[in-house]
Amino acid sequence: LAKTTQPISMDSYEGQEVNITCSHNNIATNDYITWYQQFPSQGPRFIIQGYKTKVTNEVASLFIPADRKSSTLSLPRVSLSDTAVYYCLVGDMGRRALTFGSGTRLQVQP
Amino acid sequence: GAVVSQHPSWVICKSGTSVKIECRSLDFQATTMFWYRQFPKQSLMLMATSNEGSKATYEQGVEKDKFLINHASLTLSTLTVTSAHPEDSSFYICSARDPGQGTEAFFGQGTRLTVV
Repeated sequence: LAKTTQPISMDSYEGQEVNITCSHNNIATNDYITWYQQFPSQGPRFIIQGYKTKVTNEVASLFIPADRKSSTLSLPRVSLSDTAVYYCLVGDMGRRALTFGSGTRLQVQP
Repeated sequence: GAVVSQHPSWVICKSGTSVKIECRSLDFQATTMFWYRQFPKQSLMLMATSNEGSKATYEQGVEKDKFLINHASLTLSTLTVTSAHPEDSSFYICSARDPGQGTEAFFGQGTRLTVV
C-alpha cells in the first residue's frame, strides 16, 4: 500500500472549514483514497472515498488533483464534535487489511 | 452500513490469565476479518488477518502463540490474549468488509484491555 503523509495535528474553531491534506506520491493506478475518522476509545469510521477529481457526501468533500499524488479532505463548518483523528489511507481496497498512518489530530475549539 | 460488533467493550484481567475478545459481523458474512492493536496516542497497528476455516496470518513481530485467533464461522472471529501481561494492555479493534458493500471496511467499537 502506498505510504501517506499528513499533518500530525490541526486546530480550528467552530464554524470554520477545515482542510486536511494528505500526500501519497507513490499511489498506484488501482489505488483508491479513503479517509476515516476516529474518536477516542472507538473504532475508526468511514468518511469518504474517491479515485479522482472531487467526491462529496453529507459529511465531507474529497479533492483529488489530476496527478493523484495528494488529496484534501474538506470538512465544512466544523463543530466541537468533529474533534477526532483523521486517517488518510491509500490502496486498492481489495481483500487486504487497511494500513493506517499516523493520522491528523483535529482539535476544534469553541 | 454494515455493522461489526465487539465484545466486551472493556475488560480488566490479572496478569497470567487469558482474555477472549469476540468480533461479530452482524448483517453480513465475512470470510476475512482483521485484528488491530492501538496504544495511547498511536495509530492502529495490524496484528493479524483472520481467515474463516483456516489459520490466521500474523504480522511480523506478533506472537501467534500469545494472540490466538479463531474464525470458526462466517460471522465470528475471536482473539484470545493468553497469559496476559501489563504490556498487553491496549485497545484492540477488529475490522471486516462486506462483499456486498464495495470497498469500505467496517470497524468494531474496540475493546479496552487492562492487565493488572
